[in-house]
Amino acid sequence: DTAVSQTPKYLVTQMGNDKSIKCEQNLGHDTMYWYKQDSKKFLKIMFSYNNKELIINETVPNRFSPKSPDKAHLNLHINSLELGDSAVYFCASSQAGNGYTFGSGTRLTVV
Amino acid sequence: SQQGEEDPQALSIQEGENATMNCSYKTSINNLQWYRQNSGRGLVHLILIRSNEREKHSGRLRVTLDTSKKSSSLLITASRAADTASYFCATDARSRLTFGEGTQLTVNP
Repeated sequence: DTAVSQTPKYLVTQMGNDKSIKCEQNLGHDTMYWYKQDSKKFLKIMFSYNNKELIINETVPNRFSPKSPDKAHLNLHINSLELGDSAVYFCASSQAGNGYTFGSGTRLTVV
Repeated sequence: SQQGEEDPQALSIQEGENATMNCSYKTSINNLQWYRQNSGRGLVHLILIRSNEREKHSGRLRVTLDTSKKSSSLLITASRAADTASYFCATDARSRLTFGEGTQLTVNP
């Protein structure tokens, strides 16, 4: 069983469209995250949720809206996609003080 | 600003040799973690060292942490071609992991 699964794996879409990425973890972790990895492989945190509550919102444009219906799920909705949103988006989960478990990533390409 | 900086940015060695990667950071931390990322894949957690620890081993991995110098190193002994990947250090502070730029390790057969 995949511990942190995110879908879709690849997403190609036109500028201006709205898209969602879904993430689910079956580890029972309390905290989930979204990270963005750019073309230079630099990873930057976007959001963090702990037991469905937003605890980190790291200067991300309002076009990005996370939603956590329960502590096992953290979805990411992106409105009005721009070329600069092209990146790999990683979902992760953790339990306090331990290592993170990452999903396999969603490669978003905006054309 | 970026928390972790790693060097070297790229490292190419022969199979069987040891590989050492270094990481420096700027602020106080709860722990420091190392991750591996194979090309086109997700990140895999390798090892975690807490701020009150100085050295930790896991199989062929050895991690050191010097909080006075705000630096850490990852040593991979007896490297294998399958170790070829990007390696990232990440500091755990303020409820988040902040990643360094990574070291691209290439192990030649």
